[in-house]
Amino acid sequence: AAGVIQSPRHLIKEKRETATLKCYPIPRHDTVYWYQQGPGQDPQFLISFYEKMQSDKGSIPDRFSAQQFSDYHSELNMSSLELGDSALYFCASSSPSGRRTDTQYFGPGTRLTVL
Amino acid sequence: AQSVTQPDIHITVSEGASLELRCNYSYGATPYLFWYVQSPGQGLQLLLKYFSGDTLVQGIKGFEAEFKRSQSSFNLRKPSVHWSDAAEYFCAVVNNAGNMLTFGGGTRLMVKP
Repeated sequence: AAGVIQSPRHLIKEKRETATLKCYPIPRHDTVYWYQQGPGQDPQFLISFYEKMQSDKGSIPDRFSAQQFSDYHSELNMSSLELGDSALYFCASSSPSGRRTDTQYFGPGTRLTVL
Repeated sequence: AQSVTQPDIHITVSEGASLELRCNYSYGATPYLFWYVQSPGQGLQLLLKYFSGDTLVQGIKGFEAEFKRSQSSFNLRKPSVHWSDAAEYFCAVVNNAGNMLTFGGGTRLMVKP
């Protein structure tokens, strides 16, 4: 079965640079979620989109922005990168029922290293 | 606010032994609970979930979990652990809107031969 695709899988950037992470949800899933997992930490919710509109926002820095496009893929844009942004960034998607019982299916993650 | 606590940061068991990973939640309404597993450098794979009904839920890879409302717990169990079960396990609860998972701190499972 098709899974969530994230690209790139690994990314190395310098401080103050920008980065763009991409997420392609499971086909026919219209809801996308972004999580950040620091070293040795549990995943922390950043932001979610439902039908191309932002549906909820967590602990996402102002330097980060995200959007969902007409084909439901999503991009997380990160500017003025800091060392503390080094983490594994997960994208998840869920089916279009809009209910609380929707299961989030996670992608393999993008490992961002900021030097 | 919702929260999830996994009291055990590390657990080591022998291969073939039984396993129980603890999870306690705090949630104002009926909790919708999940267990995910993460192998090193990998994504999160859903093991099982509880929404309602039978409080004992079966998942993949021989795992099961029992929801106990009186104890605010959702412990994960497996009767016989395999070396390939070594990984990090996360318990999570979803919010009312269904768009945000809150994870526990995770339990790292090591399996001795």
